Amino acid sequence: GQQLNQSPQSMFIQEGEDVSMNCTSSSIFNTWLWYKQEPGEGPVLLIALYKAGELTSNGRLTAQFGITRKDSFLNISASIPSDVGIYFCAGLSGNTGKLIFGQGTTLQVKP
Amino acid sequence: DAEITQSPRHKITETGRQVTLACHQTWNHNNMFWYRQDLGHGLRLIHYSYGVQDTNKGEVSDGYSVSRSNTEDLPLTLESAASSQTSVYFCASSAGRTLEQYFGPGTRLTVT
Repeated sequence: GQQLNQSPQSMFIQEGEDVSMNCTSSSIFNTWLWYKQEPGEGPVLLIALYKAGELTSNGRLTAQFGITRKDSFLNISASIPSDVGIYFCAGLSGNTGKLIFGQGTTLQVKP
Repeated sequence: DAEITQSPRHKITETGRQVTLACHQTWNHNNMFWYRQDLGHGLRLIHYSYGVQDTNKGEVSDGYSVSRSNTEDLPLTLESAASSQTSVYFCASSAGRTLEQYFGPGTRLTVT
């Protein structure tokens, strides 16, 4: 079945640093989504991307829908302690509404 | 404000018992989904529904069932709970099949 490769698996950074993570797939997706999950909570939608090449920002977060439609990137600028959590990419293929999730990137920020 | 809720938030049950997890959304979304989250496997789709009376099997549907009698609710039933079903369960909904999904807070289920 379809799989998403998300990297890196984990990051431990200093407050103020920029963060980059990405997701790649062997299949094409029509929609890429980025979620953040904190302990004991459900995933919260950060950014939704609907068009190849699209670059979208949400505060200090910026995500891009790759031109090939097989990858997506998330950048966090000037990280702060509350950025800590697990970040998931997810792809929607066709019109089934079924999400395929990456394995997640665990982010830790040192004050 | 519209939202998606799950109950209970925590549940401990014994092997062989029937368990039902509730999911309720007030967005009037047609599409609803159930996932389980386990270490090493990420989020995996159990069942989903595109509307009232519609249900479909996901990636890991064995031992689970759902029913959709109205737009707001999609209860998930474990017919005979097994220890392998110890997990965190998330419900989600979306307005359209190509649109983003919004997740509930989750139910942590332990089967002893």
